[in-house]
Amino acid sequence: ELKVEQNPLFLSMQEGKNYTIYCNYSTTSDRLYWYRQDPGKSLESLFVLLSNGAVKQEGRLMASLDTKARLSTLHITAAVHDLSATYFCAVDPYTGNQFYFGTGTSLTVIP
Amino acid sequence: KAGVTQTPRYLIKTRGQQVTLSCSPISGHRSVSWYQQTPGQGLQFLFEYFSETQRNKGNFPGRFSGRQFSNSRSEMNVSTLELGDSALYLCASRSTGGWVETQYFGPGTRLLVL
Repeated sequence: ELKVEQNPLFLSMQEGKNYTIYCNYSTTSDRLYWYRQDPGKSLESLFVLLSNGAVKQEGRLMASLDTKARLSTLHITAAVHDLSATYFCAVDPYTGNQFYFGTGTSLTVIP
Repeated sequence: KAGVTQTPRYLIKTRGQQVTLSCSPISGHRSVSWYQQTPGQGLQFLFEYFSETQRNKGNFPGRFSGRQFSNSRSEMNVSTLELGDSALYLCASRSTGGWVETQYFGPGTRLLVL
């Protein structure tokens, strides 16, 4: 059974600090996606990573993919309150049409 | 371009009833996927349709079914509702169903089964 694990599950960090969210998955996949979900809202696409070594950056967020280690990271630089949300990673290793989501990381940025 | 829309947004049903949820994908998108989100199980894949054909199905009982119409709109149906079916049901669309692009999610339908 394919597993996608994120850690930490909960993250409370101060504004201005840096931190990394990890996403490990149990089967080979060259495709990894990051999403953000605000409370009571739907999922917003953040990054699409499609090859080993892929790195994408948008504002204070940077995502990377190491397919050999089956690991993706989402790095937060100089956190601000607006980044408070739940972050999900998802892999699509088989058919290109079925996402397996991670457990989610609930991020709270404290002023 | 309008995003993915889902109706209704909220629904309250009782055990044993059935329910139909609707999803309209982004214009031009032909792939529609459905996911169930609960606090305990997280986000789980239900099924995916492309050009009116179900291509993938997740590990859910047969009470969960779906279909896609020629205009790519999709419906999912849950029969004989159980308390555990209470969840946020999310629909997502993709243009071709290929892996190079992400899925775009709708606002969801929040179903409460009493």
